[in-house]
Amino acid sequence: ETGVTQTPRHLVMGMTNKKSLKCEQHLGHNAMYWYKQSAKKPLELMFVYNFKEQTENNSVPSRFSPECPNSSHLFLHLHTLQPEDSALYLCASSQRGHSNQPQHFGDGTRLSIL
Amino acid sequence: ELKVEQNPLFLSMQEGKNYTIYCNYSTTSDRLYWYRQDPGKSLESLFVLLSNGAVKQEGRLMASLDTKARLSTLHITAAVHDLSATYFCAVDNAGKSTFGDGTTLTVKP
Repeated sequence: ETGVTQTPRHLVMGMTNKKSLKCEQHLGHNAMYWYKQSAKKPLELMFVYNFKEQTENNSVPSRFSPECPNSSHLFLHLHTLQPEDSALYLCASSQRGHSNQPQHFGDGTRLSIL
Repeated sequence: ELKVEQNPLFLSMQEGKNYTIYCNYSTTSDRLYWYRQDPGKSLESLFVLLSNGAVKQEGRLMASLDTKARLSTLHITAAVHDLSATYFCAVDNAGKSTFGDGTTLTVKP
């Protein structure tokens, strides 16, 4: 089983829909992240959770709402999205406090807004 | 605000040739990472560099860090087609990673 699992892999939704992206990490890490990757801005940090607490919100519009019920699961709730929100959404996890550990990434959810 | 600049952004090279990708960053950093991303795939960690003068090698790739110059390099030796991918550097500061725009490498026969 891969370390960081994201579902769904692909999602097509209309601008009025509500959907959620899910991320689960099986590595025992204490920090989780959401990134947006698009052609115009290759990799943008959206949110950071450290021990289930949100420690970073990188000026993300409120139509994106993260949820971290425990240190292994992270959700990104989507509503009233815009066409420019179409992108690859990557989840990552890491062990904070261990200086030689990189982030581990999931395979991403490819989101298309109609 | 920490800024991370990679160059070149696109690199096309022939098999067997050597080349270097550069990563400059604007403020003091705790550590620096190199990642690889294949098309349609996620990011895979290649190297973690923690201190000035650090050098790490894996196969045909070698990464180095000069914290005084705020510069890291990723050197490719005798490139092969399998190295075609996008390479990102990421710099940690205050517990947050900032990524460069990536260098898309295409190795041609």
